[in-house]
Amino acid sequence: QVQLVESGGGVVQPGKSLRLSCAASGFTFSDYAMHWVRQAPGKGLEWVAVISYDGNNTYYVDSVKGRFTVSRDNFKNTLYMQMNSLRVEDTAVYYCASEPYDNSGYPGGQFDFWGQGTLVTVSS
Amino acid sequence: DIQMTQSPSSLSASVGDRVTITCRTSETIDTYLSWYQQKPGKAPKLLIYSTFNLQSGVPSRFSGSGSGTDFTLTISSLQPEDFAVYYCQQSFTERYSFGQGTKLEIK
Repeated sequence: QVQLVESGGGVVQPGKSLRLSCAASGFTFSDYAMHWVRQAPGKGLEWVAVISYDGNNTYYVDSVKGRFTVSRDNFKNTLYMQMNSLRVEDTAVYYCASEPYDNSGYPGGQFDFWGQGTLVTVSS
Repeated sequence: DIQMTQSPSSLSASVGDRVTITCRTSETIDTYLSWYQQKPGKAPKLLIYSTFNLQSGVPSRFSGSGSGTDFTLTISSLQPEDFAVYYCQQSFTERYSFGQGTKLEIK
Protein backbone atom coordinates (compact mmCIF):
# COMPACT_ATOMS: atom_id res chain seq x y z
CA GLN A 1 0.00 0.00 0.00
CA VAL A 2 1.01 3.64 -0.42
CA GLN A 3 3.23 4.96 2.32
CA LEU A 4 4.81 8.35 2.86
CA VAL A 5 7.07 8.55 5.89
CA GLU A 6 8.56 11.88 6.95
CA SER A 7 11.64 12.21 9.11
CA GLY A 8 14.17 14.83 10.16
CA GLY A 9 12.05 17.01 12.41
CA GLY A 10 13.22 18.20 15.79
CA VAL A 11 14.04 21.21 17.94
CA VAL A 12 16.34 23.81 16.42
CA GLN A 13 17.40 27.34 17.31
CA PRO A 14 16.34 30.33 15.22
CA GLY A 15 18.69 30.90 12.31
CA LYS A 16 19.76 27.26 12.13
CA SER A 17 19.05 24.65 9.45
CA LEU A 18 17.21 21.36 9.19
CA ARG A 19 16.60 18.86 6.39
CA LEU A 20 13.36 16.93 6.17
CA SER A 21 12.97 13.69 4.23
CA CYS A 22 9.90 11.87 2.97
CA ALA A 23 10.35 8.23 1.95
CA ALA A 24 7.75 6.97 -0.52
CA SER A 25 6.67 3.42 -1.24
CA GLY A 26 3.76 1.54 -2.80
CA PHE A 27 3.43 3.74 -5.88
CA THR A 28 5.51 5.00 -8.81
CA PHE A 29 7.11 8.00 -7.09
CA SER A 30 8.53 9.46 -10.30
CA ASP A 31 5.00 9.79 -11.75
CA TYR A 32 3.84 12.22 -9.06
CA ALA A 33 4.39 15.84 -8.15
CA MET A 34 5.23 16.12 -4.47
CA HIS A 35 4.35 18.81 -1.97
CA TRP A 36 5.16 19.96 1.53
CA VAL A 37 2.27 21.25 3.63
CA ARG A 38 2.67 22.49 7.20
CA GLN A 39 0.40 23.05 10.17
CA ALA A 40 1.39 25.27 13.07
CA PRO A 41 0.17 24.10 16.49
CA GLY A 42 -3.59 24.60 16.72
CA LYS A 43 -3.73 26.27 13.30
CA GLY A 44 -4.86 25.40 9.79
CA LEU A 45 -3.05 23.90 6.85
CA GLU A 46 -0.54 25.97 4.89
CA TRP A 47 0.83 24.90 1.53
CA VAL A 48 4.63 25.33 1.51
CA ALA A 49 6.24 23.99 -1.67
CA VAL A 50 5.89 21.73 -4.69
CA ILE A 51 8.32 19.90 -6.96
CA SER A 52 7.33 18.43 -10.31
CA TYR A 53 7.67 14.73 -11.09
CA ASP A 54 11.09 15.23 -12.71
CA GLY A 55 12.39 17.85 -10.30
CA ASN A 56 12.60 20.53 -12.99
CA ASN A 57 9.97 22.84 -11.54
CA THR A 58 9.57 24.09 -7.99
CA TYR A 59 7.34 26.70 -6.37
CA TYR A 60 7.21 28.08 -2.84
CA VAL A 61 4.95 30.09 -0.59
CA ASP A 62 6.36 33.61 -0.26
CA SER A 63 7.21 33.23 3.44
CA VAL A 64 9.81 30.50 2.77
CA LYS A 65 11.16 31.61 -0.62
CA GLY A 66 14.91 31.92 -0.53
CA ARG A 67 15.16 29.95 2.74
CA PHE A 68 13.67 26.55 1.89
CA THR A 69 14.64 24.30 -1.02
CA VAL A 70 12.62 21.28 -2.12
CA SER A 71 14.32 18.47 -4.03
CA ARG A 72 13.77 14.83 -4.85
CA ASP A 73 15.69 11.66 -5.69
CA ASN A 74 13.57 9.46 -7.93
CA PHE A 75 16.05 6.60 -7.63
CA LYS A 76 15.71 6.58 -3.86
CA ASN A 77 11.96 7.42 -3.95
CA THR A 78 12.60 10.24 -1.52
CA LEU A 79 11.50 13.85 -1.23
CA TYR A 80 13.55 16.41 0.69
CA MET A 81 13.23 19.89 2.04
CA GLN A 82 16.28 21.84 3.12
CA MET A 83 15.20 24.52 5.58
CA ASN A 84 17.70 27.30 6.29
CA SER A 85 17.50 30.46 8.40
CA LEU A 86 14.68 28.96 10.41
CA ARG A 87 12.32 31.29 12.25
CA VAL A 88 10.07 30.78 15.26
CA GLU A 89 7.08 31.08 12.92
CA ASP A 90 8.27 28.01 10.97
CA THR A 91 7.31 25.85 13.95
CA ALA A 92 4.80 23.32 12.63
CA VAL A 93 4.07 19.74 11.72
CA TYR A 94 5.37 19.26 8.18
CA TYR A 95 3.52 16.83 5.93
CA CYS A 96 4.59 15.52 2.55
CA ALA A 97 1.78 14.80 0.09
CA SER A 98 1.53 13.34 -3.39
CA GLU A 99 -0.27 14.86 -6.35
CA PRO A 100 -1.15 12.69 -9.34
CA TYR A 101 -1.07 13.90 -12.93
CA ASP A 102 -4.22 13.62 -15.01
CA ASN A 103 -4.59 11.74 -18.28
CA SER A 104 -3.46 14.81 -20.21
CA GLY A 105 -0.25 15.03 -18.22
CA TYR A 106 -1.27 18.04 -16.17
CA PRO A 107 -1.12 18.15 -12.36
CA GLY A 108 -4.38 16.82 -10.96
CA GLY A 109 -4.50 19.46 -8.24
CA GLN A 110 -5.36 17.22 -5.32
CA PHE A 111 -3.24 15.64 -2.59
CA ASP A 112 -4.26 12.01 -2.66
CA PHE A 113 -1.82 10.60 -0.11
CA TRP A 114 -0.24 12.17 2.94
CA GLY A 115 2.48 11.19 5.38
CA GLN A 116 1.97 11.22 9.13
CA GLY A 117 3.94 14.44 9.55
CA THR A 118 7.13 15.43 11.36
CA LEU A 119 7.27 18.19 13.97
CA VAL A 120 9.71 21.05 13.58
CA THR A 121 10.11 23.31 16.60
CA VAL A 122 12.14 26.48 16.24
CA SER A 123 12.94 27.89 19.65
CA SER A 124 15.83 29.43 21.53
CA ASP B 1 -2.01 35.02 -4.46
CA ILE B 2 -5.48 33.50 -4.29
CA GLN B 3 -7.18 33.94 -0.93
CA MET B 4 -9.58 31.29 0.33
CA THR B 5 -12.39 32.02 2.79
CA GLN B 6 -14.46 29.26 4.34
CA SER B 7 -17.73 29.76 6.14
CA PRO B 8 -18.71 29.12 8.75
CA SER B 9 -15.50 28.80 10.78
CA SER B 10 -17.30 26.44 13.12
CA LEU B 11 -20.56 24.62 13.05
CA SER B 12 -22.57 22.56 15.53
CA ALA B 13 -24.83 19.85 14.13
CA SER B 14 -26.49 16.59 15.07
CA VAL B 15 -26.17 13.09 13.66
CA GLY B 16 -28.48 12.83 10.65
CA ASP B 17 -28.34 16.55 9.80
CA ARG B 18 -27.57 17.86 6.34
CA VAL B 19 -24.60 20.20 6.49
CA THR B 20 -23.13 22.61 3.94
CA ILE B 21 -19.72 24.28 4.15
CA THR B 22 -18.85 27.12 1.77
CA CYS B 23 -15.51 28.12 0.27
CA ARG B 24 -15.07 31.42 -1.56
CA THR B 25 -11.96 32.36 -3.53
CA SER B 26 -10.59 35.84 -4.20
CA GLU B 27 -10.51 35.18 -7.96
CA THR B 28 -11.97 32.63 -10.28
CA ILE B 29 -10.41 29.17 -10.15
CA ASP B 30 -12.67 27.33 -12.63
CA THR B 31 -13.25 23.97 -10.84
CA TYR B 32 -9.72 23.54 -9.44
CA LEU B 33 -10.89 22.89 -5.89
CA SER B 34 -10.52 20.01 -3.47
CA TRP B 35 -11.88 19.25 0.00
CA TYR B 36 -10.16 17.49 2.90
CA GLN B 37 -11.20 16.14 6.29
CA GLN B 38 -8.80 16.23 9.23
CA LYS B 39 -9.28 14.56 12.61
CA PRO B 40 -7.17 15.46 15.67
CA GLY B 41 -3.59 14.23 15.47
CA LYS B 42 -4.07 12.83 11.98
CA ALA B 43 -3.06 13.83 8.48
CA PRO B 44 -5.75 15.32 6.23
CA LYS B 45 -7.77 12.96 4.06
CA LEU B 46 -8.88 13.78 0.52
CA LEU B 47 -12.67 13.76 0.10
CA ILE B 48 -13.47 15.61 -3.14
CA TYR B 49 -11.29 16.76 -6.04
CA SER B 50 -11.93 18.95 -9.07
CA THR B 51 -15.00 20.34 -7.26
CA PHE B 52 -17.29 17.37 -7.89
CA ASN B 53 -15.29 14.13 -7.93
CA LEU B 54 -15.56 11.79 -4.97
CA GLN B 55 -12.24 10.23 -3.98
CA SER B 56 -12.23 6.44 -4.03
CA GLY B 57 -13.47 4.98 -0.76
CA VAL B 58 -15.20 8.15 0.44
CA PRO B 59 -18.88 7.66 1.36
CA SER B 60 -21.45 9.00 -1.08
CA ARG B 61 -23.01 11.24 1.59
CA PHE B 62 -20.18 13.67 0.75
CA SER B 63 -20.64 15.81 -2.35
CA GLY B 64 -19.17 18.95 -3.84
CA SER B 65 -20.44 21.65 -6.15
CA GLY B 66 -19.62 25.12 -7.48
CA SER B 67 -17.43 26.87 -10.00
CA GLY B 68 -15.68 30.19 -10.45
CA THR B 69 -15.34 31.63 -6.97
CA ASP B 70 -18.03 29.88 -4.90
CA PHE B 71 -17.93 26.24 -3.83
CA THR B 72 -19.73 24.02 -1.37
CA LEU B 73 -19.14 20.74 0.43
CA THR B 74 -22.33 19.00 1.49
CA ILE B 75 -22.72 16.10 3.89
CA SER B 76 -26.20 14.72 3.31
CA SER B 77 -26.67 12.89 6.61
CA LEU B 78 -24.04 13.42 9.29
CA GLN B 79 -22.51 10.35 10.87
CA PRO B 80 -20.60 10.28 14.17
CA GLU B 81 -17.29 9.81 12.34
CA ASP B 82 -17.83 13.01 10.30
CA PHE B 83 -17.11 15.37 13.19
CA ALA B 84 -13.77 16.87 12.18
CA VAL B 85 -12.19 19.94 10.56
CA TYR B 86 -12.76 20.46 6.84
CA TYR B 87 -10.48 22.40 4.47
CA CYS B 88 -10.87 23.55 0.89
CA GLN B 89 -7.79 23.89 -1.35
CA GLN B 90 -7.27 25.55 -4.72
CA SER B 91 -4.92 24.35 -7.45
CA PHE B 92 -5.62 26.96 -10.11
CA THR B 93 -2.20 28.58 -9.70
CA GLU B 94 1.17 26.94 -9.22
CA ARG B 95 1.19 28.17 -5.61
CA TYR B 96 -1.66 26.25 -4.03
CA SER B 97 -3.52 27.46 -0.95
CA PHE B 98 -6.00 26.28 1.66
CA GLY B 99 -9.00 27.78 3.35
CA GLN B 100 -8.72 28.44 7.08
CA GLY B 101 -10.84 25.42 7.97
CA THR B 102 -14.34 24.70 9.29
CA LYS B 103 -14.67 22.82 12.57
CA LEU B 104 -17.73 20.60 12.61
CA GLU B 105 -18.79 19.78 16.16
CA ILE B 106 -21.49 17.65 17.73
CA LYS B 107 -24.50 19.59 18.99
